[in-house]
Amino acid sequence: GQSLEQPSEVTAVEGAIVQINCTYQTSGFYGLSWYQQHDGGAPTFLSYNALDGLEETGRFSSFLSRSDSYGYLLLQELQMKDSASYFCAVGGATNKLIFGTGTLLAVQP
Amino acid sequence: DVKVTQSSRYLVKRTGEKVFLECVQDMDHENMFWYRQDPGLGLRLIYFSYDVKMKEKGDIPEGYSVSREKKERFSLILESASTNQTSMYLCASSFREGAGVYYEQYFGPGTRLTVT
Repeated sequence: GQSLEQPSEVTAVEGAIVQINCTYQTSGFYGLSWYQQHDGGAPTFLSYNALDGLEETGRFSSFLSRSDSYGYLLLQELQMKDSASYFCAVGGATNKLIFGTGTLLAVQP
Repeated sequence: DVKVTQSSRYLVKRTGEKVFLECVQDMDHENMFWYRQDPGLGLRLIYFSYDVKMKEKGDIPEGYSVSREKKERFSLILESASTNQTSMYLCASSFREGAGVYYEQYFGPGTRLTVT
């Protein structure tokens, strides 16, 4: 079967760095995506890793290790507006994504 | 500006009613998806479609059906609504693999359905 695991909640303070981990079990792995969803809003795409290593986009970075079936999203210089749920998702050969259950990030002043 | 729209933000229906949720995208995407989102369970795929008139079951298709008569429109149908179908329903679209970036899905604002 296919499954993803990520922590249910993470708390951090403004200006800090936080890492949200995701481990996965899937067949036909193509890549790992990350989505952000603010309360009451729609999920929005953040990043995608198909190859091992770190991808950086501004304050956000995403890492993948295919051999460990593991990835993470790194958020730097946290801001209050980063308080949201973050979902990892794996893509396979079928044009669809399998989403994790989400990590609720609370940024405190 | 890319857009996925859903017919209603909030919907209240009675048990046993037939419910139609409509989704329209303006990005000429081949793939369209219906998810439901429940607290602690994340996004679960109900059905998806990779072309007009084509559909495939997702992880939780029981009690649902879909229709895709035009490329831009994907409908989710609850044949006989039940209280356990009370949920947030999210529509999404993406390019098909090979035709574009399939892993970037664009989501609509969601429909919060309450079945009483």
